[in-house]
Amino acid sequence: GAVVSQHPSRVICKSGTSVKIECRSLDFQATTMFWYRQFPKQSLMLMATSNEGSKATYEQGVEKDKFLINHASLTLSTLTVTSAHPEDSSFYICSANPVGETQYFGPGTRLLVL
Amino acid sequence: ILNVEQSPQSLHVQEGDSTNFTCSFPSSNFYALHWYRWETAKSPEALFVMTLNGDEKKKGRISATLNTKEGYSYLYIKGSQPEDSATYLCAFIEADYKLSFGAGTTVTVRA
Repeated sequence: GAVVSQHPSRVICKSGTSVKIECRSLDFQATTMFWYRQFPKQSLMLMATSNEGSKATYEQGVEKDKFLINHASLTLSTLTVTSAHPEDSSFYICSANPVGETQYFGPGTRLLVL
Repeated sequence: ILNVEQSPQSLHVQEGDSTNFTCSFPSSNFYALHWYRWETAKSPEALFVMTLNGDEKKKGRISATLNTKEGYSYLYIKGSQPEDSATYLCAFIEADYKLSFGAGTTVTVRA
């Protein structure tokens, strides 16, 4: 099956700093990628849809200035958590799909903000 | 990347019929298994969180079983309805809460 990677897998940062998470489709091109967030013992929550070459579409309640998404190429989307605070600590996951196929999820990035 | 496999990849069910499908996962370092009902571009809906070998969970017409020793879980849908059409994802969670998804089983219920 298709492979979606994320980097980094874990990151610890100080409050007030920004963190960038990369999502890559390794063996296919993706015009759309999805970003999710998961809190412990809760289900995934869709944050935004990343669109190659255009602005991301954010779900209700997700601050677009807080979570900056850039989809600069057909194989890479980035999520930047700006001015991170401890409440931003979570598990961030992306997904993408080859044309006509199911979604493939990345392995996730665990963010811990101190 | 852990090998979490779901089969079949897709299936078609006649309304009223029952069906089931499988999620297989590594039998070591097990912490939990989640089942989600998911429609693309929406948040997956958590169906079950399973943690103990032999667990059986039920939610309406949907139920799941768990065998951690042999590394598999079954999801059952009894008396399928059109609204059951969706992709069902399983997610394997390791002891350090690292999460790996299967590719999903897409269920289409025909009226």
